[in-house]
Amino acid sequence: EAQVTQNPRYLITVTGKKLTVTCSQNMNHEYMSWYRQDPGLGLRQIYYSMNVEVTDKGDVPEGYKVSRKEKRNFPLILESPSPNQTSLYFCASSLSRVSTDTQYFGPGTRLTVL
Amino acid sequence: DAKTTQPTSMDCAEGRAANLPCNHSTISGNEYVYWYRQIHSQGPQYIIHGLKNNETNEMASLIITEDRKSSTLILPHATLRDTAVYYCIVRVAGNNNAGNMLTFGGGTRLMVKP
Repeated sequence: EAQVTQNPRYLITVTGKKLTVTCSQNMNHEYMSWYRQDPGLGLRQIYYSMNVEVTDKGDVPEGYKVSRKEKRNFPLILESPSPNQTSLYFCASSLSRVSTDTQYFGPGTRLTVL
Repeated sequence: DAKTTQPTSMDCAEGRAANLPCNHSTISGNEYVYWYRQIHSQGPQYIIHGLKNNETNEMASLIITEDRKSSTLILPHATLRDTAVYYCIVRVAGNNNAGNMLTFGGGTRLMVKP
C-alpha cells in the first residue's frame, strides 16, 4: 500500500532534549516536506526536499533540522526542543514539486514539549 | 495563489449527497482548483483537482462553473467517515512555488449525521 509513515505518533518530551521524528515513503517520490499545524495558524511548512541531499527552508525553519540521505526517508530533528514547538507535525511527499502532483500526507506526530 | 471562500460548516444526512461550495472569483487562467480534507487530527488527504472541466474519481466529483469563479465538491453518498474539514485551494500549475507548499484556509467543517 502506498503510504507515508511517521514515528512516533505521539511524543511528550522536556525542553532541550534532542529528538528525531522519522518520515518514510514507499512511493519513490522525489519531493518531501514537513509541516506543522497549530490552531488558528493552519499548515506551515518547515522544510522541504526536492531530492536526495537537496533540502531547503520553508516558512518556519527555526529550531529544526532535516536530512535527506535516502530518497525514502526525511527525518525532522529538533536539536533543543522548546515549548513553542509543541504542535502537530505532518510529513508529506509527492512525485515532484510540480503543483499538479498530488501530495500525500503522513498520519501526524503530536509533540508536546514541557 | 487565488483566495477562496467556503462556508464555515455544513451538515449532511448519511447516504445523501454532500455538496460543498467554494468561491474563487479571482482565479486566473493557469490556476487549478484542489480539494483536500482533514479528518480530525489526521493528515490532510487529497480528494480531487481540476482546471476547467468537471472531474470525477472514486471519492468525489468536482463541478467547476464555466467562468471558473466557483466550484462544488460533491460526495455522492456521504458516510459518517466523511465527517471532516474540507479545504478548497487554488494553485498555479507548474513549479513556481519552490516549496510546493500547500496553504489551507479555514475550510468547511462537514458533519455527516445518521
